[in-house]
Formats: sequence, structure tokens, C-alpha cells
Amino acid sequence: DAGVIQSPRHEVTEMGQEVTLRCKPISGHDYLFWYRQTMMRGLELLIYFNNNVPIDDSGMPEDRFSAKMPNASFSTLKIQPSEPRDSAVYFCASSPSYHQPQHFGDGTRLSIL
Amino acid sequence: KQEVTQIPAALSVPEGENLVLNCSFTDSAIYNLQWFRQDPGKGLTSLLLIQSSQREQTSGRLNASLDKSSGRSTLYIAASQPGDSATYLCAVRNTGNQFYFGTGTSLTVIP
Repeated sequence: DAGVIQSPRHEVTEMGQEVTLRCKPISGHDYLFWYRQTMMRGLELLIYFNNNVPIDDSGMPEDRFSAKMPNASFSTLKIQPSEPRDSAVYFCASSPSYHQPQHFGDGTRLSIL
Repeated sequence: KQEVTQIPAALSVPEGENLVLNCSFTDSAIYNLQWFRQDPGKGLTSLLLIQSSQREQTSGRLNASLDKSSGRSTLYIAASQPGDSATYLCAVRNTGNQFYFGTGTSLTVIP
């Protein structure tokens, strides 16, 4: 299995631009998670989906952040408009079920100038 | 709100030593606890997952224990190797289905 695939690996853009991060979970995994990791705050859960349906988005910091999962093999995390404080590494993870471990992608390193 | 603390923040040991990493959490109403390792520039790799009803889990040289009542978990690494050098994170899943991560312990195993 190819594992969780995230793209792009790196993104540098200017403040105010729209940013879209992409994730392909492992086939057959029913749960998908988006995380943000910074030095100051560590790893934070932003949102997670079960069978393509958002279950808990309480970690999404602001309305500028949105996430979708149009089908079982694809999810996006969008930031519009982006701000310098959004700079972080964003991880996507998936798991087969509620009880089983999560598998992480390699992350997208986002820099907002 | 659940708070997860990992001590020490950094640890350096000579190769071959056995070592223990600590994780503490403030709310004992957890569903499970998971230990991960993170290599530089990479995502997290799951090492061990302990359900709330379990006391420990073992995988190779790794052993993780869980004491819900005291809000503690430990990750024991036997006969450490340079390849074990990484950051180790613990994560707690509450019964309310929320996830909380510790800030990690950065481990260096010196050859």
C-alpha cells in the first residue's frame, strides 16, 4: 500500500492567497484526520471525517479554514485568505476504524510570507 | 480540557541502554492512548496503541504501559539503538472522541 499521500510537500505563498492542501487516505480506511503542527502549540487536531462526513471540526481555528471530503479517496483543507500565522506543517492521517491506529502522511510544510 | 505532558523534553543515552519515556494526562476518562515516533521531516508512525481497558502493549523491544487512575503512561525501550533516535509523542483519545497530543520527547541514542 502506498500509505497516506499528501500534496504538495512544500508550499510557499504570500499572505492573502488561497491555499489548498490535498490528501489521499489509505484505501479502505473510513476515518480521515487533518492536523497542524507548530513549535509553539505542538500537534493539534483540526477536523476529522468518518465515511466522508465531517464529525468534529471544533479544532478548526477560524472560518478562513475549511475542509471537504467529496469521496472516500480524497480530501482537501483550504485556507482563504491565508495569514503568516497559518505557517505550519499540516498532516493528514487515516485509520480503518475508530479502534485502530492512525497512519500519517509526510505532511505539507506551509509558509505564508 | 485534557492536558498531555511528556517529560523529559529531550533525552540522550548511549547505545544499548534501556530507557523509559513518560506521558501524563489530566483527565482519566480516556478511550485509548497511542505512542508514535516522528522522524525529522516525516509524519508520525504509530508504535503502540493501548485501549483504556488494557494495562500494557508490547512490540519487539518496545513496551507501553497505562495507568488510567494515575493518569500516566510509559514507553520502555530495551537495548536502545541509534536507529531509535527520533521524537516520541503520546496521544490521548478522550471518550468524547477528541484527540490530544503531548509535545514529545526528543531521543538521541549515541553510538
